[in-house]
Amino acid sequence: AQSVSQHNHHVILSEAASLELGCNYSYGGTVNLFWYVQYPGQHLQLLLKYFSGDPLVKGIKGFEAEFIKSKFSFNLRKPSVQWSDTAEYFCAVIFGGYQKVTFGIGTKLQVIP
Amino acid sequence: NAGVMQNPRHLVRRRGQEARLRCSPMKGHSHVYWYRQLPEEGLKFMVYLQKENIIDESGMPKERFSAEFPKEGPSILRIQQVVRGDSAAYFCASSPTIGQGENIQYFGAGTRLSVL
Repeated sequence: AQSVSQHNHHVILSEAASLELGCNYSYGGTVNLFWYVQYPGQHLQLLLKYFSGDPLVKGIKGFEAEFIKSKFSFNLRKPSVQWSDTAEYFCAVIFGGYQKVTFGIGTKLQVIP
Repeated sequence: NAGVMQNPRHLVRRRGQEARLRCSPMKGHSHVYWYRQLPEEGLKFMVYLQKENIIDESGMPKERFSAEFPKEGPSILRIQQVVRGDSAAYFCASSPTIGQGENIQYFGAGTRLSVL
């Protein structure tokens, strides 16, 4: 069955630390990949997306993600986090051109000043 | 340039009552999606609609839940005879017409339903 896995459910980092959040999916066909962020009390916002082309994609606020097809992974990275990055991060996948988005369970990131 | 608008933001119902959640898509978007987020779980797809049509309702519970997206007005997610297990955050998303760009879904702020 198609699924999306996020490995870390809760991450605590100090400011300026580097961030990497893992995301894997199970599906052998074409995928569209997304990372969404939800700040406390706010709606989901799109951080970045991958549809085709360069597998290293850059998003807003200094985030980037790399699609590694052989590993079915789309990990999110940021070299130096800030307190304002405290939020919940969701990996999301559209499988095979269908319209519905399948979300991972989410990772709560807490950045300590 | 309003985004996806959902109302109400918070809804409290007693068991057995009906809940009606509304979603107005972004201007120019003709596709609407509803998702449910239960406590400590990710968002789960419920239903995908275009104007006057349900395209995919594979994530909708078989009973008590229904959705519509009429020609005029917002999309409505309706839950009849609510139970405590329906307490969740319900998110709506919209996307442009397929073929007019990448299928990126833009989300509303959600409606938090609490069933007493």
